This record gives sequence, C-alpha cells and structure tokens, in this order.
Amino acid sequence: GQQVMQIPQYQHVQEGEDFTTYCNSSTTLSNIQWYKQRPGGHPVFLIQLVKSGEVKKQKRLTFQFGEAKKNSSLHITATQTTDVGTYFCAVTSGTYKYIFGTGTRLKVLA
Amino acid sequence: DTGVSQNPRHKITKRGQNVTFRCDPISEHNRLYWYRQTLGQGPEFLTYFQNEAQLEKSRLLSDRFSAERPKGSFSTLEIQRTEQGDSAMYLCASSSMTAEAFFGQGTRLTVV
Repeated sequence: GQQVMQIPQYQHVQEGEDFTTYCNSSTTLSNIQWYKQRPGGHPVFLIQLVKSGEVKKQKRLTFQFGEAKKNSSLHITATQTTDVGTYFCAVTSGTYKYIFGTGTRLKVLA
Repeated sequence: DTGVSQNPRHKITKRGQNVTFRCDPISEHNRLYWYRQTLGQGPEFLTYFQNEAQLEKSRLLSDRFSAERPKGSFSTLEIQRTEQGDSAMYLCASSSMTAEAFFGQGTRLTVV
C-alpha cells in the first residue's frame, strides 16, 4: 500500500537555527498535507500542496512540493521554542484516506 | 460546535474487557476517520465513513474492532476482549469533501 517516509526521524536544534524535514513517496501524489502535533496533543493541519513545484509560506514556515510530485519539504527559519513538536506529512490514498508519514520530531534548545 | 469531540479522554481497562469510544465530528463534515497512534509513530488508519456508510476498514483491524456511524453524525469505536497490544491513542478526525482533516483530542486507552 501507499507509504510515505520522512527524514530525519529526530532533529534537535538550537533556538534560532533553521530546520528542514523531508517527505518522500515512491508514487506520484495528487496532493500532500502537513500537520503539526505538539507533545501530548493531536495533529493540527498546517497546509495542503497540490501543484507540481508549488511553494507556500506561512510566516517562518516554507512548504515545497517537488516537481515530480513525489516529495515535499517543510523548512522552518529561525526556530523558536513554540515550534517544538512532531511534523507529519500526509497523502491521500484513493480519494479519501489520509496516509501519514513517520513524522519528524523537533526539539528546540533555548 | 467548534471542533471534533472525543469521549472519554482516557480509559483504563482490564485485559479482556470491552470498551467503547465516541466521536462527535464537526457537524457539516460528512467524512469521519478513526486512527490509532502509538508513541513515536504517526497516526495509523483504521476505518473511514462517508455519512453513515463505512467505506473502508484497515486490514490491521481485527474482528474484535467494530465502528459505527448510525445516523451519519457521531461515531463509536468498540474494542471487544481488549489486549495489552490495543493500548494506544485512538484519534477521530472529520473532513469535508476536499479539505483537510480536523482531529479530536483522542482517547488514550491503557489495557492492564
């Protein structure tokens, strides 16, 4: 079945450093979503990317969809302690089911 | 109704007992999902409803698990004869046809 891999699995950064997580699929995707889950919390939607090569920004977060629509990245500029959590990509399988990646756990050291 | 609501938030049960969880989705959402999440892992798909119809059930779901959405609104997930391996966070999510999934805060199940 559909699988998505994320790297790295863990990332520790000093506050103010940048952070990037990557999501890779073996198949071409129709779209990709990114979610953030704070420790002890539930996944919260961040963004959806649909077009090949699409780049979207939310303040310090930059999301990119690969030209071949098989990979995506999330980049955070100048991390803050509020960025702590696990970041998941999710893809739809068929027309309805969301398949989540393995996640990247981010720790920010003050 | 400002979000997806799940009850109970926590459940501790003895092995072999049955448990039932409830999910109230966002009212205008016709799609409802159940996921299971264990520590350090991503949400794992269990089952999906569109309105009252259960359209897919994961192969991971044994016959001890059953889910219903009788009137296309709230949903229940029942686990019969619980096992220690069932201990996890059970997440419910809802969505409209083309949008993102909104998750509830989950029910944390501990089987002792």
